[in-house]
Amino acid sequence: GAVVSQHPSWVICKSGTSVKIECRSLDFQATTMFWYRQFPKQSLMLMATSNEGSKATYEQGVEKDKFLINHASLTLSTLTVTSAHPEDSSFYICSATWGAGGVQPQHFGDGTRLSIL
Amino acid sequence: KQEVTQIPAALSVPEGENLVLNCSFTDSAIYNLQWFRQDPGKGLTSLLLIQSSQREQTSGRLNASLDKSSGRSTLYIAASQPGDSATYLCAVREGGGADGLTFGKGTHLIIQP
Repeated sequence: GAVVSQHPSWVICKSGTSVKIECRSLDFQATTMFWYRQFPKQSLMLMATSNEGSKATYEQGVEKDKFLINHASLTLSTLTVTSAHPEDSSFYICSATWGAGGVQPQHFGDGTRLSIL
Repeated sequence: KQEVTQIPAALSVPEGENLVLNCSFTDSAIYNLQWFRQDPGKGLTSLLLIQSSQREQTSGRLNASLDKSSGRSTLYIAASQPGDSATYLCAVREGGGADGLTFGKGTHLIIQP
């Protein structure tokens, strides 16, 4: 149980393109979803926290106008990288959890490797 | 700001050995700690979750301990196998509810056949 699906797994596109990444919880309702980013040889860094039906909360240094997050349902959150540039090339991964109080673990998707040419 | 450190950064051992991976965190006021496995180019697989009130968790050949007051956790892998080769990540959650995880850089583990 607790499967999270992330799509696409690979994206290669030209600079200036906007890219949308989907994160779905397949067998549970995710009250909270998180978006992380991982640069080579670095640890995963939290970008934003998304609660269903609410605006996302962004970490310091993450541009909310560049990384648009929508969590319109309890099973789907999307991250749109607007006008992507080469420095946005990274591994983006989402996680999802449920319930209040943080007792449940976070379950991760397989990630999306984004390459901007 | 919470910082998570994992030692060693890389480890290579022969198959069959028991091994310990270390994780330390600077702020002991954590809610829980989670160990993950990450295979190359893949997502994360959750291995063990330890709540702040717990001392250890076990799953098969894996045992994770938590000493919250000293800011340390260890992941013990018994009778290692080549299939255990992966990067192991330690992450802490500082608050309940909507708080994300703070990750270490991981320990890259290679089990030699």
